[in-house]
Amino acid sequence: GAGVSQSPSNKVTEKGKDVELRCDPISGHTALYWYRQSLGQGLEFLIYFQGNSAPDKSGLPSDRFSAERTGGSVSTLTIQRTQQEDSAVYLCASSTGTSGGETQYFGPGTRLLVL
Amino acid sequence: GQNIDQPTEMTATEGAIVQINCTYQTSGFNGLFWYQQHAGEAPTFLSYNVLDGLEEKGRFSSFLSRSKGYSYLLLKELQMKDSASYLCAVYYGGATNKLIFGTGTLLAVQP
Repeated sequence: GAGVSQSPSNKVTEKGKDVELRCDPISGHTALYWYRQSLGQGLEFLIYFQGNSAPDKSGLPSDRFSAERTGGSVSTLTIQRTQQEDSAVYLCASSTGTSGGETQYFGPGTRLLVL
Repeated sequence: GQNIDQPTEMTATEGAIVQINCTYQTSGFNGLFWYQQHAGEAPTFLSYNVLDGLEEKGRFSSFLSRSKGYSYLLLKELQMKDSASYLCAVYYGGATNKLIFGTGTLLAVQP
């Protein structure tokens, strides 16, 4: 079946503009995660959605970052008033969410460059 | 803290064996994952250790010691295609259900 998909693949924006990044998880996966990977850095957890539960937003770096998940499927990560330090690869992952330790399947990422 | 440390870079020869270490300063986690990430691509699952000991899966094996706070990934019979970053991640289940990643080890396999 289809894997996790993300769009756009690449995004170049000017400092101060808002951007929206989209993630389509694997069908049937109830858990969805957003991570950020800066150049030469490990993956940094941003936010986690599980079913209809309140999301875990503990990783969001500032209030300029927000995410929503509509209908328990597609998710959008929004960055307002982008800054140059927001330049990174934003990765989305999904998992079945049915038990502990299930594998997270990653999408190809969106490469964001803020000029 | 949750410091998860890995060597930044390693180099090995085709056909050889390489061990990539991951040390952490955290507790109360459910298990430890290893992911492989080729340049410009998404991370892909390699292994998951819950119990102490060695988990073998073909050319790749992963080891966990909770008491000593470390894990390693062992790659045997190295191939050129094994050149990639290898990411160690601690998994917290329950309400958080999130992965905390180390910085990754970039492995270069040379002929």
